Amino acid sequence: QSALTQPASVSGSPGQSITISCTGTSSDVGAYDYVSWYQKHPGKAPKLMIYDVSNRPSGVSNRFSGSKSGNTASLTISGLQAEDEADYYCSSFRIGSTRVFGTGTKVTVL
Amino acid sequence: EVQLLESGGGLVQRGGSLRLSCAASGFTFSSYAMIWVRQAPGKGLEWVSTISGSGDNTYYADSVKGRFIISRDNFKNTLYLQMNSLRAEDTAVYYCAKPRQTWGTHYGMDVWGQGTTVTVSS
Repeated sequence: QSALTQPASVSGSPGQSITISCTGTSSDVGAYDYVSWYQKHPGKAPKLMIYDVSNRPSGVSNRFSGSKSGNTASLTISGLQAEDEADYYCSSFRIGSTRVFGTGTKVTVL
Repeated sequence: EVQLLESGGGLVQRGGSLRLSCAASGFTFSSYAMIWVRQAPGKGLEWVSTISGSGDNTYYADSVKGRFIISRDNFKNTLYLQMNSLRAEDTAVYYCAKPRQTWGTHYGMDVWGQGTTVTVSS
């Protein structure tokens, strides 16, 4: 059960936009529109930022957006802010009713 | 308020057992699948196990299959994870999480507990 592939780190200056990719296979990301994204600060519980590829839960800033093409999903953060500095994980439903997380991406605001 | 509260973590010797609990409140527990996720020190999130709302269907990561058992008591609104034959690589913070919608096992997880730490010593 290999993890989805994410870049280890992405950085940007305040106000800029960044995009985090999440590459899976035809058994997970490519098979279902059940990709979600989580923000995680050290010592805190993960927070749902995007669900079902591109939907934002109530209370999540519209600076966060998601998309998918084939086996790769993406999370874009626009108007980068200092508070966005955290680790981000994608997750997908996988054939067999299992789940898989991405390797995680550390976002740094320069 | 929807809340999840894990307990049961601690220090255990390699090969030992531990049972984690997750007390749920603020929602109709039996209508939701529930999930365990863990994070080893310095590592990423790892899905561990999912159980359907009725408890009839369970799913496990290959890394824990045959050693961990997920279960639930819908009368007590509590989720469990029985961990047996523990290994050093099971050392992690364990989180329980609730999907954002009822019944399905595929939904994103919108409520998480604070986590409970399991340390397996050799």
